[in-house]
Amino acid sequence: EAAVTQSPRSKVAVTGGKVTLSCHQTNNHDYMYWYRQDTGHGLRLIHYSYVADSTEKGDIPDGYKASRPSQENFSLILELASLSQTAVYFCASSDVWGNTLYFGAGTRLSVL
Amino acid sequence: GDSVTQTEGLVTLTKGLPVMLNCTYQTTYSPFLFWYVQHLNEAPKLLLKSSTDNKRTEHQGFYATLHKSSSSFHLQKSSVQLSDSALYFCALKGSNYNVLYFGSGTKLTVEP
Repeated sequence: EAAVTQSPRSKVAVTGGKVTLSCHQTNNHDYMYWYRQDTGHGLRLIHYSYVADSTEKGDIPDGYKASRPSQENFSLILELASLSQTAVYFCASSDVWGNTLYFGAGTRLSVL
Repeated sequence: GDSVTQTEGLVTLTKGLPVMLNCTYQTTYSPFLFWYVQHLNEAPKLLLKSSTDNKRTEHQGFYATLHKSSSSFHLQKSSVQLSDSALYFCALKGSNYNVLYFGSGTKLTVEP
């Protein structure tokens, strides 16, 4: 079974603070993704990466940065957290064909 | 651009009844459609997928048929169970063949 691990599982942050969400996969997958889940909006793609040291913008990249220092690790960075970034964040990985995404358990972020 | 539409936000049914969750999509590329299921406090998981026109695909009692003529990929089950209560997402791979775009999701609640 593919394994994607996210940390932390939940976090409370203050407005204007910096937040880093981490993701680690042991699937040997090339592709990694960050999605945001909000009620009524489903899953929206923030950033993705298909190779280490390179990231691509998804549909809603504003206010987020991503970092892929190795094939296994993919981080999402909120430099200046805002109230509107309160959501559940999912990391996922897939092989080069991208036909199945394997999701982590999610990180519940509350920005106060 | 590519998009996925799920018209029902919430569906409530009695156990044993049939269900159909609607999914339509837009893309100018050859589509690959997916259904993901997310149970409460869990990560989304792949339920079924298809890129073949007019061929029924089945998994765990659920089934769907990709109809390119109507740009649809509706999810069906003949008899729902309490354990089917979950959030169901339709997703599309279109112009960017390594990225999935998700619909807003349909919450299915099955009552005794």
